[in-house]
Amino acid sequence: AQKITQTQPGMFVQEKEAVTLDCTYDTSDQSYGLFWYKQPSSGEMIFLIYQGSYDEQNATEGRYSLNFQKARKSANLVISASQLGDSAMYFCAMREGSSNTGKLIFGQGTTLQVKP
Amino acid sequence: NAGVTQTPKFRILKIGQSMTLQCTQDMNHNYMYWYRQDPGMGLKLIYYSVGAGITDKGEVPNGYNVSRSTTEDFPLRLELAAPSQTSVYFCASSYMLGKVGELFFGEGSRLTVL
Repeated sequence: AQKITQTQPGMFVQEKEAVTLDCTYDTSDQSYGLFWYKQPSSGEMIFLIYQGSYDEQNATEGRYSLNFQKARKSANLVISASQLGDSAMYFCAMREGSSNTGKLIFGQGTTLQVKP
Repeated sequence: NAGVTQTPKFRILKIGQSMTLQCTQDMNHNYMYWYRQDPGMGLKLIYYSVGAGITDKGEVPNGYNVSRSTTEDFPLRLELAAPSQTSVYFCASSYMLGKVGELFFGEGSRLTVL
C-alpha cells in the first residue's frame, strides 16, 4: 500500500536561510507523482510544486525546489532564502500512476516557523 | 475565478443531527474529492468522484455519503453526527488530463459536533 512519511513535526529556520523538509514515500508503482502543498494559519491549501516519477530533472518553482532521490524514495522540499511568510504547515502528497482517480494521499505534515 | 467553493465555512452540530456540506467548482473538472483534516494532522480521503454519476469510497467513508449529479457539484452528507466527525473538511477538484493534475482546494469547512 502506498504511504507518505514526514518525520519532522516541527522545524525552525532563520529568515533568509535555506531549509529542507523531509518526505519519504512507499509505492509499488513505477509511475507516480509527488506534490507539496503549503497550509498557512488561515487554513487554505496552496499547491507549491510537482515531481513526476519519470522526470529526470528536479522540479523547481521560484524559491522552491524538490530534491528527488528515486532510489531512496525521498522527495524533500527545499525552500531557499526563507521569508516570514513561509511560516506554515507543509504537506507532501503522492498520486499513484496506476490509479486513474487522481486521488492524493498526504503525509502528516511539517510545521515550519521562520524566525526574524 | 471562483474555483472551488464550499459552504458553510463554520457549523456547530449536536450529536445525532445531520447536515450537508456543499461544494461546487466552476473549472469543469471531472474529478472531485472530499478530505477531512483533524487537528495537527494530514488530510484523509473520505469520498471521491471521477465524473457525474460516479462516486467511490476513500480511506474514511463511514458516517458520510456523497452524490454527484452534475460536473459542478459534489455535496457531502453527514448522517447522525458524532463527536469523532469534528474536523475541517476540504473539497477539491482536479483536471486529470493535464500533466500535473494537482488538486485545487476549497477554503475548508470547520465542523464541530457537540
